[in-house]
Amino acid sequence: AQKITQTQPGMFVQEKEAVTLDCTYDTSDQSYGLFWYKQPSSGEMIFLIYQGSYDEQNATEGRYSLNFQKARKSANLVISASQLGDSAMYFCAMREVLSGGSNYKLTFGKGTLLTVNP
Amino acid sequence: NAGVMQNPRHLVRRRGQEARLRCSPMKGHSHVYWYRQLPEEGLKFMVYLQKENIIDESGMPKERFSAEFPKEGPSILRIQQVVRGDSAAYFCASSRGAWAEAFFGQGTRLTVV
Repeated sequence: AQKITQTQPGMFVQEKEAVTLDCTYDTSDQSYGLFWYKQPSSGEMIFLIYQGSYDEQNATEGRYSLNFQKARKSANLVISASQLGDSAMYFCAMREVLSGGSNYKLTFGKGTLLTVNP
Repeated sequence: NAGVMQNPRHLVRRRGQEARLRCSPMKGHSHVYWYRQLPEEGLKFMVYLQKENIIDESGMPKERFSAEFPKEGPSILRIQQVVRGDSAAYFCASSRGAWAEAFFGQGTRLTVV
């Protein structure tokens, strides 16, 4: 079963508008972390934002915010005031607590390709 | 304060050759993780190492792939007798501990011709 589902293979947005990238996850753990990464065409993985399962407030980092709905198991990324440089692949990832108590392993979704139009 | 350094950035190998990918973790980090990204896919966990120890290799293919993180020097991901299906981007990440934030390198893009 997919642990991280990103249902939008591609998204388009006009420059300066906001866009929401969807992510749903599947876990039976109470303690877990959710991440969003950006991968531009140059290929590096850039960390954007993190949400812990016990965090009561939605995470925000500049123009990025995470719409965390725990009961629905969704962690959508909202990018406000899109810029041309936001065009990239965006990956949602989850880190669960593994047997033995460690939680190092990230599970990634398949990504959403965002294109920002001028 | 350099980040995670991977080299080479691009590597081309003929079928049957060996590929060696290197990863130098961030200063102060003793935990290294390798991930593989196949075309059109997200990253998939391969192996987790601490200095001189393999902690979890559940994501490593059973044959031809090996990883090490010696006491001195970078972590090495070694692929023997490469095949076309090994063509992918290989990312390394490092952290201070299993619970700490992991930082990714820029990846090595392996192309098998």
